[in-house]
Amino acid sequence: AQTVTQSQPEMSVQEAETVTLSCTYDTSESDYYLFWYKQPPSRQMILVIRQEAYKQQNATENRFSVNFQKAAKSFSLKISDSQLGDAAMYFCAYRSAEGVSGTYKYIFGTGTRLKVLA
Amino acid sequence: NAGVMQNPRHLVRRRGQEARLRCSPMKGHSHVYWYRQLPEEGLKFMVYLQKENIIDESGMPKERFSAEFPKEGPSILRIQQVVRGDSAAYFCASSPPSYEQYFGPGTRLTVT
Repeated sequence: AQTVTQSQPEMSVQEAETVTLSCTYDTSESDYYLFWYKQPPSRQMILVIRQEAYKQQNATENRFSVNFQKAAKSFSLKISDSQLGDAAMYFCAYRSAEGVSGTYKYIFGTGTRLKVLA
Repeated sequence: NAGVMQNPRHLVRRRGQEARLRCSPMKGHSHVYWYRQLPEEGLKFMVYLQKENIIDESGMPKERFSAEFPKEGPSILRIQQVVRGDSAAYFCASSPPSYEQYFGPGTRLTVT
């Protein structure tokens, strides 16, 4: 069975600095997707970035980028030029390959709380 | 295209009552997922549905909890005879046949 591990319950970063959140996963599949979601105090889950396992190039969305190491099963999120609005819980998620009848399974990590210091 | 809708946003029930949570997926999305989040904890998968079918309910408690996604209308998560331990935020997410999930704003259930 697939698992997703976020080993950092909490991280802090100074405003305008860079921070990296770690995520590792375990799977025997070769085709899958990985995501980072952000959950601010409003509790709305917001998709931050997506990575397809078959792509070697790391995904980037503005100040957010990932370091995807498929062989190591590692998927870290880098936030550059951190802003106060980046303070939130961040969840790493794995989506399995397509199963029977076009179904998918999503597995979430336990989250990392990011604090941004002014 | 409206996002995933959940209602009510807040629900208060006394112990022993029934709680009914609704989720309307985004237009064109045929997959619905329900998650539970306890305070200061991550998301726990409960159930995965397609129209009129339960695909995976491995995260659902065996008793008191049920879910449906009828051909017409929203997906419903029903909790019968609620207990204090059911107090949590319940999130619904939907997705098209491929790609990522989109989350609703959640329903915060409080059992008094």
